[in-house]
Amino acid sequence: NAGVTQTPKFQVLKTGQSMTLQCAQDMNHEYMSWYRQDPGMGLRLIHYSVGAGITDQGEVPNGYNVSRSTTEDFPLRLLSAAPSQTSVYFCASSYDGAGANVLTFGAGSRLTVL
Amino acid sequence: GDSVTQMEGPVTLSEEAFLTINCTYTATGYPSLFWYVQYPGEGLQLLLKATKADDKGSNKGFEATYRKETTSFHLEKGSVQVSDSAVYFCALSGSGNSGGSNYKLTFGKGTLLTVNP
Repeated sequence: NAGVTQTPKFQVLKTGQSMTLQCAQDMNHEYMSWYRQDPGMGLRLIHYSVGAGITDQGEVPNGYNVSRSTTEDFPLRLLSAAPSQTSVYFCASSYDGAGANVLTFGAGSRLTVL
Repeated sequence: GDSVTQMEGPVTLSEEAFLTINCTYTATGYPSLFWYVQYPGEGLQLLLKATKADDKGSNKGFEATYRKETTSFHLEKGSVQVSDSAVYFCALSGSGNSGGSNYKLTFGKGTLLTVNP
């Protein structure tokens, strides 16, 4: 089925470890983004990309890196995990960012940092 | 900057009750407005949207009208069902006047709705 695929669904890390959350979409969407969801905070934008080779910071980018080498993939890297990064992470993509863009979300990746 | 304020809830209703979840926004220009829904254990999915003032978005019995004069986009449903139990997010996207800003969605904090039989 077409859509946004995130892996892994669950991950437990120790403080200081690194990891990559994978995100892939097969809808030929130009726009991709990463959000984190925390209780009482809603969703906050971490990084986004408007096309291959182009990335930009969102509201809460510190501690996260991204790259966009292909249209399909947009991985999120945690270089040195901290307990404050315990959260549920959502990748989302959109075809048309001009005005009324509609995001398609992945199912989420739940990360716990001990 | 852009912001969205919505009822935080939780909201608990009986089946067939009337639902209103309030949402107000602050934005420059003419944003598009959205309601997304998140069912337990899933990602968010679009419920409805409106792209200009006085537009009414509707889907699955839910409605919301884009009111520029009151900067509001309240979600309503006349008769809720148990299957409507979920978290509802109000969101806006920029007016496209500043580069990539029209690609970003700004979300409210979400409202948990529980519908009891």
